[in-house]
Formats: sequence, C-alpha cells, structure tokens
Amino acid sequence: SQQGEEDPQALSIQEGENATMNCSYKTSINNLQWYRQNSGRGLVHLILIRSNEREKHSGRLRVTLDTSKKSSSLLITASRAADTASYFCATDAAGAQKLVFGQGTRLTINP
Amino acid sequence: DTGVSQDPRHKITKRGQNVTFRCDPISEHNRLYWYRQTLGQGPEFLTYFQNEAQLEKSRLLSDRFSAERPKGSFSTLEIQRTEQGDSAMYLCASSSGQGRNYGYTFGSGTRLTVV
Repeated sequence: SQQGEEDPQALSIQEGENATMNCSYKTSINNLQWYRQNSGRGLVHLILIRSNEREKHSGRLRVTLDTSKKSSSLLITASRAADTASYFCATDAAGAQKLVFGQGTRLTINP
Repeated sequence: DTGVSQDPRHKITKRGQNVTFRCDPISEHNRLYWYRQTLGQGPEFLTYFQNEAQLEKSRLLSDRFSAERPKGSFSTLEIQRTEQGDSAMYLCASSSGQGRNYGYTFGSGTRLTVV
C-alpha cells in the first residue's frame, strides 16, 4: 500500500521557474524523504526531514513538513532542464522498518 | 565502492520460466530492501533484510517469490513460474542501520518483461 499521495501528478513549467510538489500522508512518521527518478533509472535520495523539523534546505531544494496536517512540500527554485524527472515522497512511519512511497509527481522543465 | 549494483539490467523471459536477480549493496550497509515498481507508479515494498535475516515480507511477495541474503552481503530475488503480471522494474536499496533518519541508496534496477 502507498501512504503518500502526491499532488500534482504531473507538472510542466518553463526553465527558470520554481516548481512546487506536495505530499500528504496518513500515519505518524519518524521522517519524510524526497527522491528523484530519471526515466528508467533507480531513485536518488534528495533530502530527509525529521518529524521535529519544519523546514530544510539543500541547494535549490526547500522542503517543509507540517505534521499537524500530515503534509510536506518540495520546492525546486530556478528550475533547469536537468530537473526533468519524477519526484517521490517516502515516509518512514513510526513502528515500521521500511519506507513507503507515494505515486510521484512527473516534472517536465521546458527549455 | 560505487554504490548499489543490480544484475541484470534487463531480463526478458517466457511465462512459466524462473528468473533470479542479484543485488550488491554498499558494503558497510547492513539493511537491504527490495521494491517493485510498475509504470507510472511509486515503488512498492517487497522485503527487507537486516544483515542475513529477512525481517519483513510484503503480502505482494507470493509463494512464487523468494529472497535471500547469505552472509549478509549480496542478495538474490527469485521468481518462480513467472506470470505476465510480474513484469515490472525490481529495485534494490541499501541503508545504514546505525539509527533512523538515513536515506536509501538505490540501484539502477532490473527491468523484467514476461512474454
């Protein structure tokens, strides 16, 4: 079963614009992680935010977490064509021993 | 150590045949995971090892599926009597088990096509 629900399912923007993806989940978590997947490849870990953190930055990435709403967002600033990929949120639920992934957002950056 | 390696990258098999995939995790990682991903979907958990012990199996892992991790190093995933519904990308990942709050390192996956 997939706990995370991502929104939107697909997003197409112009190069240089900012991209925002949202993730909602259902249970209490230890942390929430974001991954990127290029077509036909494995997933690449982008950023992890712990349940007691509200915001985290890594380069052009900004992640927020609202545990009261059970939601997270991933912001990619100044997008580039190379950011074209699918982005997945994954939750490390309390009491679980594995990550549960959402269905992903397909991001297309148009040059 | 260049990361998680999976072999083969692609496998085409006839329905009813058995297939085996291999995963070599990052050497210092004691946790190893198998996921399955179909087109347009997120990865779905199959099974998890801590060292050589298989600690959790998903209900997705029918009795046709078996996974091993002898000596806590590489792992194999075998599918017996393959069905067309088994066609998917099979992903392996590893992580450090020193505590929570570690990301996974994924391999490039094995794409299985059952014809």
